[in-house]
Amino acid sequence: GDSVTQMEGPVTLSEEAFLTINCTYTATGYPSLFWYVQYPGEGLQLLLKATKADDKGSNKGFEATYRKETTSFHLEKGSVQVSDSAVYFCALSGQGGSEKLVFGKGTKLTVNP
Amino acid sequence: GAVVSQHPSRVICKSGTSVKIECRSLDFQATTMFWYRQFPKQSLMLMATSNEGSKATYEQGVEKDKFLINHASLTLSTLTVTSAHPEDSSFYICSANKAGPGGEQFFGPGTRLTVL
Repeated sequence: GDSVTQMEGPVTLSEEAFLTINCTYTATGYPSLFWYVQYPGEGLQLLLKATKADDKGSNKGFEATYRKETTSFHLEKGSVQVSDSAVYFCALSGQGGSEKLVFGKGTKLTVNP
Repeated sequence: GAVVSQHPSRVICKSGTSVKIECRSLDFQATTMFWYRQFPKQSLMLMATSNEGSKATYEQGVEKDKFLINHASLTLSTLTVTSAHPEDSSFYICSANKAGPGGEQFFGPGTRLTVL
C-alpha cells in the first residue's frame, strides 16, 4: 500500500540555519503531497501542498517540490526561526479524489536562539 | 478560518469502561470527518472515515464494535471506545473536510486517552 518515509528526528538547529527535512513516498498513481505542522498543544495545520509532478508548494518561507522521478517531497527553509519549532509531518493522499491521508512518522524540529 | 475542536482534551478511565470523544467543526459543515490514532513517536494511523448520515468506513484491522463512530450532524462526530483496556491508551485525533472531495482537512487538537 501507499507509504511515506521521512527523516527521523529530532532536528535541532540554531536560528537562521538552513533546514531540510527529507520525505519520500511510495504510491500507485499520482498522489497529492502535503506537509503538515503541529505546534505544541495545537492540532495539525496544513503548511503546503503539491498536487502534481514538478509543482512547488510554498508557505511561510517553507518550500517543497514534488519530484516524481525520485518520489520525494523534501521540505526546505532557508533561515529558520525559533517560532518554527514544531513537529512536521509529510503526507500523501491517493489518486482519484481520495481524501485519505497517509502520514510519515513526523520530525520534531527545535530551533534555538 | 476553519476550526475543529475535540472534547475532552485528556481523559483517564478505568479498564472496562467506555469513553466518548467528540469532534466538532466550529465554523463550517463537514460531510466527512476522519479519526486517527497516534502512538508515541509514530505517525498518525487512520482508523475510520465518518460520513454524516451513514455508517462509518473502518480501516483494515480496526474493530468497529470497539471503536463506535457516530456522525449525527454536519458539525459533530463522536468516537466511543467501548470496554477500554490499557492497550487502547493513545492520542486520538480527528479531522474534518471543509468542502467536497479533495478538500483540505482541518485537524482537531487531539484527545489523550489513558486507560488504567
